[in-house]
Amino acid sequence: AQRVTQPEKLLSVFKGAPVELKCNYSYSGSPELFWYVQYSRQRLQLLLRHISRESIKGFTADLNKGETSFHLKKPFAQEEDSAMYYCALTTYSSASKIIFGSGTRLSIRP
Amino acid sequence: ETGVTQSPTHLIKTRGQQVTLRCSSQSGHNTVSWYQQALGQGPQFIFQYYREEENGRGNFPPRFSGLQFPNYSSELNVNALELDDSALYLCASSSDGSAKNIQYFGAGTRLSVL
Repeated sequence: AQRVTQPEKLLSVFKGAPVELKCNYSYSGSPELFWYVQYSRQRLQLLLRHISRESIKGFTADLNKGETSFHLKKPFAQEEDSAMYYCALTTYSSASKIIFGSGTRLSIRP
Repeated sequence: ETGVTQSPTHLIKTRGQQVTLRCSSQSGHNTVSWYQQALGQGPQFIFQYYREEENGRGNFPPRFSGLQFPNYSSELNVNALELDDSALYLCASSSDGSAKNIQYFGAGTRLSVL
């Protein structure tokens, strides 16, 4: 069965410190992985997807198929990074069913 | 460009009733997905509609049903409401091609079942 696990419900770091939000997945095929973010009082929105291999707002995420992980990283946290982050997986079938993790709340302390 | 809009924003129903939630997809999008988000959880996939046909379904009972209209707007219907149906219901739209799996979310409808 397809599953996405985010082991941390809450991650609190100081401004300027490095951030790593963990995500592990379970899927036997070739998945497409995403990070979605929800800022306070805003709707859920895409942050980045692994096939784009981009850095968005200083965040990067590398798909590690051996460890089935897709951790989100940023070298220097900013206060505006405080938000709820969801890791998500989809398959390349026609259904485009997206499976979300339970989310990690990132809190950046000044 | 118009984003995804959902109505109503809040709804209170009693157990056993039926409810209809509505979603207008983003301009140019032909696919709509519905999700249920319980408190403290990530969104759970209910089903997806592509060009007016159901295109995949999650682990939800048949009392959760949907429709997509020719203008690609969509409805989610839930019959025989149960207390556990209380949640935020999210609609997301997407398009064909290379952006097929990028979903654009609405603000959600918060349903409370008493």
